[in-house]
Amino acid sequence: GAVVSQHPSRVICKSGTSVKIECRSLDFQATTMFWYRQFPKKSLMLMATSNEGSKATYEQGVEKDKFLINHASLTLSTLTVTSAHPEDSSFYICSVGNMNTEAFFGQGTRLTVV
Amino acid sequence: AQKITQTQPGMFVQEKEAVTLDCTYDTSDQSYGLFWYKQPSSGEMIFLIYQGSYDEQNATEGRYSLNFQKARKSANLVISASQLGDSAMYFCAMRAGNYGGSQGNLIFGKGTKLSVKP
Repeated sequence: GAVVSQHPSRVICKSGTSVKIECRSLDFQATTMFWYRQFPKKSLMLMATSNEGSKATYEQGVEKDKFLINHASLTLSTLTVTSAHPEDSSFYICSVGNMNTEAFFGQGTRLTVV
Repeated sequence: AQKITQTQPGMFVQEKEAVTLDCTYDTSDQSYGLFWYKQPSSGEMIFLIYQGSYDEQNATEGRYSLNFQKARKSANLVISASQLGDSAMYFCAMRAGNYGGSQGNLIFGKGTKLSVKP
Protein backbone atom coordinates (compact mmCIF):
# COMPACT_ATOMS: atom_id res chain seq x y z
CA GLY A 1 0.00 0.00 0.00
CA ALA A 2 0.90 3.64 -0.24
CA VAL A 3 3.13 5.19 2.38
CA VAL A 4 1.95 8.50 3.76
CA SER A 5 4.24 10.52 5.99
CA GLN A 6 2.76 13.23 8.17
CA HIS A 7 4.85 15.69 10.11
CA PRO A 8 5.02 16.74 12.88
CA SER A 9 3.44 14.02 14.98
CA ARG A 10 3.03 16.32 17.94
CA VAL A 11 3.14 20.08 18.24
CA ILE A 12 2.46 22.52 21.03
CA CYS A 13 2.06 26.14 20.10
CA LYS A 14 1.06 29.37 21.72
CA SER A 15 -2.33 30.88 21.15
CA GLY A 16 -2.25 33.27 18.20
CA THR A 17 0.55 31.57 16.32
CA SER A 18 0.29 29.49 13.15
CA VAL A 19 1.19 25.85 12.72
CA LYS A 20 1.94 24.02 9.48
CA ILE A 21 1.31 20.30 9.10
CA GLU A 22 2.78 18.41 6.17
CA CYS A 23 1.38 15.33 4.49
CA ARG A 24 3.63 13.55 2.02
CA SER A 25 2.63 10.69 -0.21
CA LEU A 26 5.87 8.81 -0.70
CA ASP A 27 4.88 6.35 -3.40
CA PHE A 28 1.43 7.35 -4.59
CA GLN A 29 0.62 10.10 -7.03
CA ALA A 30 -1.98 11.93 -5.04
CA THR A 31 -4.02 14.37 -7.05
CA THR A 32 -6.33 14.43 -4.07
CA MET A 33 -5.61 14.30 -0.38
CA PHE A 34 -8.06 14.47 2.49
CA TRP A 35 -7.68 16.23 5.81
CA TYR A 36 -9.60 14.94 8.80
CA ARG A 37 -9.96 16.21 12.31
CA GLN A 38 -10.58 14.06 15.36
CA PHE A 39 -11.54 15.36 18.78
CA PRO A 40 -10.71 13.19 21.81
CA LYS A 41 -12.77 10.02 21.90
CA LYS A 42 -14.65 11.11 18.79
CA SER A 43 -14.75 10.04 15.20
CA LEU A 44 -12.85 11.41 12.24
CA MET A 45 -14.56 14.25 10.47
CA LEU A 46 -13.58 15.36 6.99
CA MET A 47 -12.39 18.95 7.00
CA ALA A 48 -11.39 19.45 3.42
CA THR A 49 -10.35 17.85 0.19
CA SER A 50 -6.99 19.02 -1.06
CA ASN A 51 -6.67 19.19 -4.83
CA GLU A 52 -3.31 19.30 -6.55
CA GLY A 53 -2.84 22.56 -8.35
CA SER A 54 -6.17 24.05 -7.40
CA LYS A 55 -8.13 25.29 -4.44
CA ALA A 56 -9.16 22.97 -1.68
CA THR A 57 -12.77 22.06 -1.13
CA TYR A 58 -13.88 22.67 2.43
CA GLU A 59 -16.66 20.94 4.29
CA GLN A 60 -19.50 22.98 5.66
CA GLY A 61 -18.56 24.76 8.83
CA VAL A 62 -14.82 24.62 8.27
CA GLU A 63 -13.25 28.07 8.02
CA LYS A 64 -11.08 28.20 4.92
CA ASP A 65 -9.23 31.26 6.15
CA LYS A 66 -8.30 29.53 9.35
CA PHE A 67 -7.31 26.19 7.89
CA LEU A 68 -5.18 26.98 4.87
CA ILE A 69 -4.49 24.09 2.55
CA ASN A 70 -1.86 24.02 -0.15
CA HIS A 71 -1.37 21.11 -2.53
CA ALA A 72 1.44 22.22 -4.78
CA SER A 73 2.58 18.81 -5.99
CA LEU A 74 1.38 15.25 -6.34
CA THR A 75 3.28 14.28 -3.22
CA LEU A 76 2.73 17.08 -0.76
CA SER A 77 -0.22 18.77 0.87
CA THR A 78 0.07 21.16 3.79
CA LEU A 79 -2.50 22.27 6.34
CA THR A 80 -1.76 25.52 8.14
CA VAL A 81 -3.77 26.35 11.23
CA THR A 82 -3.62 30.12 11.39
CA SER A 83 -3.96 32.17 14.55
CA ALA A 84 -4.46 29.02 16.54
CA HIS A 85 -6.66 29.02 19.62
CA PRO A 86 -7.10 26.40 22.34
CA GLU A 87 -10.29 25.16 20.67
CA ASP A 88 -8.20 24.21 17.65
CA SER A 89 -6.42 21.63 19.77
CA SER A 90 -7.18 18.32 18.14
CA PHE A 91 -5.79 15.37 16.22
CA TYR A 92 -5.35 16.11 12.52
CA ILE A 93 -4.79 13.31 10.06
CA CYS A 94 -4.41 13.21 6.31
CA SER A 95 -5.15 10.45 3.85
CA VAL A 96 -4.61 9.68 0.21
CA GLY A 97 -6.46 7.35 -2.07
CA ASN A 98 -9.04 7.34 -4.77
CA MET A 99 -12.16 5.47 -5.68
CA ASN A 100 -10.14 2.37 -6.57
CA THR A 101 -7.94 2.07 -3.51
CA GLU A 102 -8.22 1.92 0.22
CA ALA A 103 -7.53 5.13 2.11
CA PHE A 104 -3.92 5.39 3.26
CA PHE A 105 -3.47 7.51 6.33
CA GLY A 106 -0.62 9.52 7.71
CA GLN A 107 0.44 9.04 11.29
CA GLY A 108 -1.55 12.04 12.41
CA THR A 109 -0.61 15.25 14.21
CA ARG A 110 -1.64 15.99 17.74
CA LEU A 111 -1.94 19.76 18.08
CA THR A 112 -2.11 21.42 21.45
CA VAL A 113 -2.63 25.16 21.62
CA VAL A 114 -1.76 26.74 24.95
CA ALA B 1 -27.23 11.36 2.97
CA GLN B 2 -24.66 8.74 3.79
CA LYS B 3 -24.24 7.60 7.33
CA ILE B 4 -22.39 5.00 9.35
CA THR B 5 -23.77 3.85 12.69
CA GLN B 6 -21.79 2.01 15.33
CA THR B 7 -24.00 1.42 18.33
CA GLN B 8 -21.42 -0.11 20.66
CA PRO B 9 -19.31 2.59 22.35
CA GLY B 10 -17.32 -0.08 24.14
CA MET B 11 -16.90 -3.84 24.06
CA PHE B 12 -15.06 -6.32 26.22
CA VAL B 13 -13.84 -9.71 25.09
CA GLN B 14 -11.83 -12.42 26.73
CA GLU B 15 -8.49 -13.22 25.15
CA LYS B 16 -8.73 -15.99 22.53
CA GLU B 17 -12.46 -15.54 22.10
CA ALA B 18 -14.22 -14.09 19.06
CA VAL B 19 -15.96 -10.74 19.07
CA THR B 20 -18.34 -9.01 16.68
CA LEU B 21 -18.34 -5.25 16.24
CA ASP B 22 -21.53 -3.89 14.75
CA CYS B 23 -21.83 -1.47 11.87
CA THR B 24 -24.84 -0.37 9.88
CA TYR B 25 -24.82 2.05 7.02
CA ASP B 26 -27.14 4.15 4.98
CA THR B 27 -26.61 5.20 1.41
CA SER B 28 -28.62 5.63 -1.74
CA ASP B 29 -25.66 4.75 -3.93
CA GLN B 30 -25.65 1.41 -5.70
CA SER B 31 -21.86 1.22 -5.67
CA TYR B 32 -20.00 1.81 -2.44
CA GLY B 33 -17.21 0.45 -0.33
CA LEU B 34 -17.08 -0.42 3.33
CA PHE B 35 -13.94 -0.36 5.45
CA TRP B 36 -12.83 -1.19 8.93
CA TYR B 37 -9.91 0.58 10.55
CA LYS B 38 -8.17 0.01 13.86
CA GLN B 39 -6.88 3.00 15.79
CA PRO B 40 -4.58 2.25 18.74
CA SER B 41 -3.82 4.90 21.32
CA SER B 42 -0.97 6.19 19.15
CA GLY B 43 -3.57 7.53 16.74
CA GLU B 44 -2.53 5.86 13.53
CA MET B 45 -5.26 4.42 11.37
CA ILE B 46 -4.61 0.80 10.48
CA PHE B 47 -6.57 -0.66 7.57
CA LEU B 48 -8.13 -4.00 8.41
CA ILE B 49 -10.58 -5.07 5.77
CA TYR B 50 -12.63 -3.90 2.80
CA GLN B 51 -15.96 -5.00 1.33
CA GLY B 52 -17.27 -3.75 -1.98
CA SER B 53 -21.00 -3.45 -2.44
CA TYR B 54 -20.93 -5.84 -5.38
CA ASP B 55 -18.74 -8.43 -3.71
CA GLU B 56 -20.79 -11.58 -3.29
CA GLN B 57 -18.53 -13.17 -0.73
CA ASN B 58 -17.75 -11.81 2.69
CA ALA B 59 -14.27 -10.36 2.92
CA THR B 60 -11.71 -12.08 5.11
CA GLU B 61 -8.20 -11.01 6.14
CA GLY B 62 -6.51 -13.34 8.58
CA ARG B 63 -8.37 -13.12 11.89
CA TYR B 64 -10.70 -10.46 10.53
CA SER B 65 -13.85 -11.18 8.61
CA LEU B 66 -16.65 -8.93 7.54
CA ASN B 67 -20.20 -10.17 7.87
CA PHE B 68 -21.82 -8.28 5.00
CA GLN B 69 -25.60 -8.33 4.89
CA LYS B 70 -26.55 -6.02 2.08
CA ALA B 71 -30.31 -6.17 2.53
CA ARG B 72 -29.92 -5.20 6.17
CA LYS B 73 -27.23 -2.66 5.32
CA SER B 74 -24.90 -4.08 7.90
CA ALA B 75 -21.18 -4.75 7.76
CA ASN B 76 -20.15 -6.23 11.08
CA LEU B 77 -16.50 -6.97 11.82
CA VAL B 78 -15.69 -10.32 13.37
CA ILE B 79 -12.35 -10.74 15.10
CA SER B 80 -11.51 -14.34 15.87
CA ALA B 81 -9.12 -15.50 18.59
CA SER B 82 -8.78 -12.07 20.19
CA GLN B 83 -5.34 -10.98 21.32
CA LEU B 84 -4.32 -8.38 23.89
CA GLY B 85 -2.94 -6.27 21.07
CA ASP B 86 -6.40 -6.02 19.56
CA SER B 87 -7.39 -3.55 22.26
CA ALA B 88 -8.05 -0.32 20.37
CA MET B 89 -10.73 1.84 18.79
CA TYR B 90 -12.34 0.33 15.73
CA PHE B 91 -13.97 2.46 13.08
CA CYS B 92 -16.35 1.39 10.37
CA ALA B 93 -16.25 3.65 7.35
CA MET B 94 -17.90 4.01 3.99
CA ARG B 95 -16.47 5.49 0.86
CA ALA B 96 -18.73 8.23 -0.37
CA GLY B 97 -20.18 7.54 -3.76
CA ASN B 98 -18.58 9.05 -6.81
CA TYR B 99 -21.74 10.78 -7.78
CA GLY B 100 -21.70 14.48 -7.15
CA GLY B 101 -17.96 14.78 -7.45
CA SER B 102 -16.73 12.85 -4.44
CA GLN B 103 -13.24 11.57 -5.01
CA GLY B 104 -12.87 9.00 -2.37
CA ASN B 105 -13.13 10.45 1.12
CA LEU B 106 -14.43 8.22 3.87
CA ILE B 107 -17.38 8.70 6.18
CA PHE B 108 -16.71 7.26 9.63
CA GLY B 109 -18.85 5.87 12.37
CA LYS B 110 -18.32 6.95 15.96
CA GLY B 111 -16.18 3.96 16.71
CA THR B 112 -16.16 1.09 19.19
CA LYS B 113 -13.54 0.79 21.88
CA LEU B 114 -12.54 -2.83 22.20
CA SER B 115 -10.85 -4.05 25.35
CA VAL B 116 -9.37 -7.54 25.39
CA LYS B 117 -9.12 -9.07 28.84
CA PRO B 118 -6.38 -11.56 29.71
